[in-house]
Amino acid sequence: QVQLVESGGGLVKPGGSLRLSCAASGFTFSDYYMSWIRQAPGKGLEWVSYISSSGTTIYYADSVKGRFTISRDNAKNSLYLQMSSLRVDDTAVYYCARSRWGGTGTDYWGQGILVTVSS
Amino acid sequence: QSALTQPPSASGSPGQAVTISCTGTSSDVGGYNYVSWYQQHPGKAPKLMIFEVSKRPSGVPDRFSGSKSGNTASLTVSGLQAEDEADYYCSSYTDNNNLLFGGGTKLTVL
Repeated sequence: QVQLVESGGGLVKPGGSLRLSCAASGFTFSDYYMSWIRQAPGKGLEWVSYISSSGTTIYYADSVKGRFTISRDNAKNSLYLQMSSLRVDDTAVYYCARSRWGGTGTDYWGQGILVTVSS
Repeated sequence: QSALTQPPSASGSPGQAVTISCTGTSSDVGGYNYVSWYQQHPGKAPKLMIFEVSKRPSGVPDRFSGSKSGNTASLTVSGLQAEDEADYYCSSYTDNNNLLFGGGTKLTVL
C-alpha cells in the first residue's frame, strides 16, 4: 500500500533552516508528481510546492519562493524540502503528498510533520 | 493570489443533500478542469474526494459528486451520514502553474 513518511521537523529559531524528508513506498515513485502542502495550527490548507516526476518542473507558492527548495531522489524514493530564512508564520504541519499532473488531484498524503518557528 | 472562496460552514440532517461552493476566477477555477475536493477529519490528513471537477477516486462513495459552472465549483454530498462531518477544502490549478486552496468549509451533520 502507498505510504509516505515525513521526517525532519521540529523547533527552529526565526531565520534558521530545516530540511524535511519524505520516504515513499508502495508505488513507483518516479512516475508521480509530488507536493508539499502545509497547514498552520487551526488554519486551512496551503500549497507550498510541487515537483514533476523527473524533477525538471518545479513551482513554489509566492510565500516561500526564494526561501524553500523542493527536490527528489528517485533512486531513493525520497522527496525533500529545504527550508531556510524561516519565519514565525512558516509554523505549520507539513504534508508530503503524491499528486497528479501539475500538483493536482493529490491522492495520498503523509501523516504530516510539525515545524515550529519560534524564538 | 487570494484563496478560493468557500462558505465557512454548511449543515444538513442525515439523509439530506448539502452543496458546498468554491468560487474563484477565470485564472483558476473557471480556466481549468483541475478542481479537487478534500475531506479532513480533526487531527487527520486530508483525503481526496473529487479530482478534475467531477471524478471520484476509487473507494469514494458515489454520494459525493462534483461540478463546475463558470468560476464556481461545487461539491454535493447526498444522503448525508454522520461520518461525513468534517472540513472540506477545494483546490484549483492556476494560470501561473500554482495550486490554490479554498479557506475550507466545516460540514456539520445535525
